[in-house]
Amino acid sequence: QSALTQPASVSGSPGQSITISCTGTSSDVGTYNLVSWYQHHPHRAPKLMIYEGTKRPSGVSSRFSGSKSDNTASLTISGLQTEDEAHYYCCSYASNGPWVFGGGTKLTVL
Amino acid sequence: QVQLVQSGAEVKKPGASVKVSCKASGYMFITYYMHWVRQAPGQGLEWMGLINPNSGSTSYAQKFQGRVTMTRDTSTSTVYMELSSLRSEDTAMYYCAIVAGYWGQGTRVTVSS
Repeated sequence: QSALTQPASVSGSPGQSITISCTGTSSDVGTYNLVSWYQHHPHRAPKLMIYEGTKRPSGVSSRFSGSKSDNTASLTISGLQTEDEAHYYCCSYASNGPWVFGGGTKLTVL
Repeated sequence: QVQLVQSGAEVKKPGASVKVSCKASGYMFITYYMHWVRQAPGQGLEWMGLINPNSGSTSYAQKFQGRVTMTRDTSTSTVYMELSSLRSEDTAMYYCAIVAGYWGQGTRVTVSS
């Protein structure tokens, strides 16, 4: 299955808001409300930030929010902090293979 | 607390096989499918497949069909991922994960002659 499409990089200043998009197809993002977002720092396991499109696991800051429109899911981080600098990956359930990931987005906090 | 503990790093020669284990604790083992995901150096996350710990049924990404085998041992709450016919492109960090958001610490597999 093809990977979901994410921008390679985004950047923002502390305190600003940024949005990372994740574009799929009607076989994954467009049909299922099962998009998750992971934060990945080097040498650590990925951390779940959003699941089922909009839900935050316990302990994840409310600065992180998810949304979806048609075949595109989005992750918004408000009030950027330096510790938010990481790679972010979207992941969706897909009809032709249970999980498909996006290519990842490197967030730089300037 | 939920923990997924993976086996240690491996170094293999091209053509060999590697078997990585993932021991689960802190939850009922059969509750969640176990997924395997890998990340090659400088690359993104790549889903490899999953196993249903209850039935043992599996689903593999097309890319790995014929080369990957996932099994489980319910008596020890452990799942295994075996990848055969290794090539240099299989050099990666391999993770087990459950949909509840818990991941193993990763197992580095290096394929080198």
